[in-house]
Amino acid sequence: DQQVKQNSPSLSVQEGRISILNCDYTNSMFDYFLWYKKYPAEGPTFLISISSIKDKNEDGRFTVFLNKSAKHLSLHIVPSQPGDSAVYFCAASESNFGNEKLTFGTGTRLTIIP
Amino acid sequence: DAGVIQSPRHEVTEMGQEVTLRCKPISGHDYLFWYRQTMMRGLELLIYFNNNVPIDDSGMPEDRFSAKMPNASFSTLKIQPSEPRDSAVYFCASSSAGLSSYEQYFGPGTRLTVT
Repeated sequence: DQQVKQNSPSLSVQEGRISILNCDYTNSMFDYFLWYKKYPAEGPTFLISISSIKDKNEDGRFTVFLNKSAKHLSLHIVPSQPGDSAVYFCAASESNFGNEKLTFGTGTRLTIIP
Repeated sequence: DAGVIQSPRHEVTEMGQEVTLRCKPISGHDYLFWYRQTMMRGLELLIYFNNNVPIDDSGMPEDRFSAKMPNASFSTLKIQPSEPRDSAVYFCASSSAGLSSYEQYFGPGTRLTVT
């Protein structure tokens, strides 16, 4: 049973426009969320995170929004650049002390069209 | 600064053979994770270690899979015997307890093909 879901396997966006990637979760115990970015033939790299005590976290062109009541988070990239073309994974964790376990979604392949 | 190192990068083997994947975590990190990536299931956690001790192996699919961490700088994931459905990319990741403990650093992965 997939506790973290990314229902869009792929997304294409024009360069300069906004990219919005979505993620839903089912486990109400999740209280910390992360986005990872993955290029071909490389491992995923950490991009941005958010704690459940916040509803928004911003880092440069990247903003993550969290809607706890809907169990939904989204990653906004503005403006989108060709180098943003990659697979993006959403991940979630329960922040119990000592629990380092992340549950990942299936990923969304983002293609930025020049 | 060396990141997480995995070897081999590619492995092609025949069904029934033993496969051993290797990982060297980032020095000083006390958590080590093994993941498997497939199209259908994304990134699945197989097992993770804290201070060389296995903490959660509930993701290990079958008894054919085993993992060890004999010391803080080395871990192996073994599949014996291998089957075609084990074909996937296997990632090792490490992290350090603390405020940024949820951020895991991934190796480049091992692409395993079982024919």
